[in-house]
Amino acid sequence: RKEVEQDPGPFNVPEGATVAFNCTYSNSASQSFFWYRQDCRKEPKLLMSVYSSGNEDGRFTAQLNRASQYISLLIRDSKLSDSATYLCVVNSGNEKLTFGTGTRLTIIP
Amino acid sequence: ETGVTQTPRHLVMGMTNKKSLKCEQHLGHNAMYWYKQSAKKPLELMFVYNFKEQTENNSVPSRFSPECPNSSHLFLHLHTLQPEDSALYLCASSRSGTGGSYEQYFGPGTRLTVT
Repeated sequence: RKEVEQDPGPFNVPEGATVAFNCTYSNSASQSFFWYRQDCRKEPKLLMSVYSSGNEDGRFTAQLNRASQYISLLIRDSKLSDSATYLCVVNSGNEKLTFGTGTRLTIIP
Repeated sequence: ETGVTQTPRHLVMGMTNKKSLKCEQHLGHNAMYWYKQSAKKPLELMFVYNFKEQTENNSVPSRFSPECPNSSHLFLHLHTLQPEDSALYLCASSRSGTGGSYEQYFGPGTRLTVT
């Protein structure tokens, strides 16, 4: 089983819709979780950290489910500028960040 | 954004060449990282430096040689590379040397092509 697994997509979503991604991780000792976004041919950029109680930043909501070992990202009222690849990132318990392969999202006008 | 800078942005080199990638962070961080990103693969951690000391070498071939003269600068020296080493090389920095506890901030990367 991969340490971090994501549905690669692509997700093609109309503008204004709500979209959600899940990501599963294998190491139950993982402590830190993040969502990054990566635009085509650019570097990954931190979108948000994921806290145990869940957290929200504008149109973005992140959730952590330790029992089922997954994290989620919800994007409301999607914008064209949200088109990117979303990377799930986990501290896999050995003091290294492990990146998922990413979920590709395209917002359609 | 100029928090983490990398040069060059693009590099084409032959298998017998020697070149170096440079990374500089202006965020006051004390940990720096090299990652490799190949097409359709997740980011692969290569090296970690914490307060200038290498704390992680993720089974990287010796043709990649890192150097960290201070907490703000990181180099990756390349020699006798193979075509399969062609990839995007990303530098990152963070507040903590533990790597996993704090967010990492990435530079724009060097797109390397080995011919």
